[in-house]
Amino acid sequence: AQKVTQAQTEISVVEKEDVTLDCVYETRDTTYYLFWYKQPPSGELVFLIRRNSFDEQNEISGRYSWNFQKSTSSFNFTITASQVVDSAVYFCALSEEETSGSRLTFGEGTQLTVNP
Amino acid sequence: EPEVTQTPSHQVTQMGQEVILRCVPISNHLYFYWYRQILGQKVEFLVSFYNNEISEKSEIFDDQFSVERPDGSNFTLKIRSTKLEDSAMYFCASRDRWGEKLFFGSGTQLSVL
Repeated sequence: AQKVTQAQTEISVVEKEDVTLDCVYETRDTTYYLFWYKQPPSGELVFLIRRNSFDEQNEISGRYSWNFQKSTSSFNFTITASQVVDSAVYFCALSEEETSGSRLTFGEGTQLTVNP
Repeated sequence: EPEVTQTPSHQVTQMGQEVILRCVPISNHLYFYWYRQILGQKVEFLVSFYNNEISEKSEIFDDQFSVERPDGSNFTLKIRSTKLEDSAMYFCASRDRWGEKLFFGSGTQLSVL
């Protein structure tokens, strides 16, 4: 069975601070996909990134970066120079299916509050 | 960016009543999904739908739930006899055959009184 754990329930930072959101996963499959979604106060789920299990390269997209480490089963998300608009709930998710993005198992989410 | 649209945004119903939640997936997508999120909890998979049939369902998706794609554009989730514990945000999602991500709608907040 697959499982995603986001141990940080809530994080509060001051604008311009860097913040890292942790994600640890469990799966028995060798092929799997990891995701991050953002849920702003308006409620929708916004896709941020997908990473497959064979690609351990870290990725950077603007102020966002992701650190995938298979050795520790972690897929952490860092926001550099945080902004108030980054305030949201962030979900890490896992899919074991060959065609990625199917049945997602979500973590509990981390509520990030960025204060001005 | 194309959108998955869901209606209504809020639905209030009495326990035991039937509700139908509606979704319009992105037009060229082939795979459709329902997820739900009970307040303060994680997002949970309910069901996936492809080629006019259910391809996978979770243990949550019991006989009280059904899905349908009645025409070429809509995708509905029906709860036959709602219970208090069905109160949640219900998300519809869709993807194309090779898409790397699920496009989620904005959700329908269902409140069962």
